[in-house]
Amino acid sequence: SYVLTQPPSVSVAPGQTAKITCGGNDLGSYSVHWYQQKAGQAPVLVVYDDSHRPSGIPERFSGSNFGNTATLTITRGEAGDEADYYCQVWDYRSDHYVFGSGTKVTVL
Amino acid sequence: EVQLLESGGGRVQPGGSLRLSCTAPGFTFNNYAMSWVRQAPGKGLEWVSGMSGDGDNAYYADSVKGRFTISRDNSENTLYLQMNSLRGEDTALYFCVKAPEAPYGGLAFDVWGQGTLVTVSS
Repeated sequence: SYVLTQPPSVSVAPGQTAKITCGGNDLGSYSVHWYQQKAGQAPVLVVYDDSHRPSGIPERFSGSNFGNTATLTITRGEAGDEADYYCQVWDYRSDHYVFGSGTKVTVL
Repeated sequence: EVQLLESGGGRVQPGGSLRLSCTAPGFTFNNYAMSWVRQAPGKGLEWVSGMSGDGDNAYYADSVKGRFTISRDNSENTLYLQMNSLRGEDTALYFCVKAPEAPYGGLAFDVWGQGTLVTVSS
């Protein structure tokens, strides 16, 4: 089955930029989606189809996907960005959705 | 505003059964593929099962195939997950999620419910 690999944690200083990576074999040929999950809450879609933002998501959130790595970038980090972030793809070979293991973002 | 409301969770013994429901008031339910995603305590997200908008196609994670059955009643705007032969590792918060279109596959989950907790324990 397809596997997505994320770092367990990422730290960012307030006002700085955080980059969260998601790795997978030939990931650039997939559409990658990103979710933010704050403590005790349901996940929220923050980026879909590699780089598109749903309505209501700040421009500070952006995504890219090339080669074997997709990246979620959060610019001008704020305390409110502290959350777990998950990447996701649909594995067309198995008709299964796959999530990455998640990355905990801490704003120091 | 689109809302998804899960119910049916609870405590059950290993080997037991539960049926989860997800109601979706206020939108044209059959226009959207739906899925169930779960999260074990302190763990990450795991896709469990999905179904196309018309109910013709159902898909399952290997971990639940043969034990869980997804279904939907579009006339009642309701999605179901019948869970049989439950195991300890099925203990999780189960989220009902919506895709932005009817065909299953490829699209992100743009709306999530708040989840219903299933605990499998003797």
